[in-house]
Amino acid sequence: GIQVEQSPPDLILQEGANSTLRCNFSDSVNNLQWFHQNPWGQLINLFYIPSGTKQNGRLSATTVATERYSLLYISSSQTTDSGVYFCAGTDRGSTLGRLYFGRGTQLTVWP
Amino acid sequence: EAGVAQSPRYKIIEKRQSVAFWCNPISGHATLYWYQQILGQGPKLLIQFQNNGVVDDSQLPKDRFSAERLKGVDSTLKIQPAKLEDSAVYLCASSYSINQPQHFGDGTRLSIL
Repeated sequence: GIQVEQSPPDLILQEGANSTLRCNFSDSVNNLQWFHQNPWGQLINLFYIPSGTKQNGRLSATTVATERYSLLYISSSQTTDSGVYFCAGTDRGSTLGRLYFGRGTQLTVWP
Repeated sequence: EAGVAQSPRYKIIEKRQSVAFWCNPISGHATLYWYQQILGQGPKLLIQFQNNGVVDDSQLPKDRFSAERLKGVDSTLKIQPAKLEDSAVYLCASSYSINQPQHFGDGTRLSIL
């Protein structure tokens, strides 16, 4: 299966700071998604971004499919951004929909 | 639109007991997934349905886990008998079809004593 490496594993920021989270895939993927898992365990969709760049408020994401990586940018971070950020993708060589997840980046934003 | 509904939210059982989880996907979503998330890890797929048929159960421990989606809408996942290593969050997700964005429910947190 696909191996997904996320970096950094942990990130501690002061409110207002910017950050970049990275996701590398061992093989070509489709259907790349970024999720935020909040402290209550809910997994919230942030982006569906197989390729290119998307922006949603203070968040943006870029996927370079040919180089098998994706980046999530968080600007002007807030305490509510705390939680675990996951990226995931499906195997381009498969017709199935299994999402392969990384181990996540634990983000803590303090006031 | 209503999201993916799961119940119960929490469950505590003793090892060797049985437990069942329920999931109602987003209306119109043909594909339904059950994932297991162990503490400190990302979710891992257990089983995937397309309508009421199984398309991927290669990672499902079939000696103790079973799942069904009889009418192609809601689904149940059962564990019998439970082991200590089954302590995890069980997440249900749905998508309009395979290779479309997946949307997750709030999960069921299972603790085995």
